[in-house]
Amino acid sequence: SQQGEEDPQALSIQEGENATMNCSYKTSINNLQWYRQNSGRGLVHLILIRSNEREKHSGRLRVTLDTSKKSSSLLITASRAADTASYFCATDAIKGAAGNKLTFGGGTRVLVKP
Amino acid sequence: NAGVTQTPKFQVLKTGQSMTLQCAQDMNHEYMSWYRQDPGMGLRLIHYSVGAGITDQGEVPNGYNVSRSTTEDFPLRLLSAAPSQTSVYFCASRYSGSYGYTFGSGTRLTVV
Repeated sequence: SQQGEEDPQALSIQEGENATMNCSYKTSINNLQWYRQNSGRGLVHLILIRSNEREKHSGRLRVTLDTSKKSSSLLITASRAADTASYFCATDAIKGAAGNKLTFGGGTRVLVKP
Repeated sequence: NAGVTQTPKFQVLKTGQSMTLQCAQDMNHEYMSWYRQDPGMGLRLIHYSVGAGITDQGEVPNGYNVSRSTTEDFPLRLLSAAPSQTSVYFCASRYSGSYGYTFGSGTRLTVV
């Protein structure tokens, strides 16, 4: 079963535009993480937001978390061709084994056109 | 600093064969996990370990075994390969003081 569901499944934008993707989840979480996967490669950890945080920034990335709606969003500002990748949210929802049972969504494929 | 190393990168097996996917990390991470990635399904947790000698099942453990005799290595064994195990397998590790995982580059397995 997938804890996180991402929307949209695919996104195509021009270089310089902003990209926004959303993640919804089902159960209470300790934290939510975003990862990037370039084609044919492993995942790279981008940013983590804890359940008691509402917004976090890292460079051109902005993540929000709304625990009342069980949703998160990832915003990439001023996108570049190198941002072309799939983006996954992952939730840590098991308190007893915190951080050991990350549940991933199906991902959003982002294409940034030069 | 090699990070997380997975071998082999590609493998084709016949139904019923067994094999071991290797995973090694040189970052002294306590926590290690195995995921499989299927199209449109995201990643699903197979097994994980919180330290040498300690392993536990994830979401889809059937057909797979793991052991953790050292901090560095976390091999995944397919006991009797089935076509349903055709997938891309990722090993990941993390430090106990951080929640973000470092992933290997994956093993693409095809079972015919």
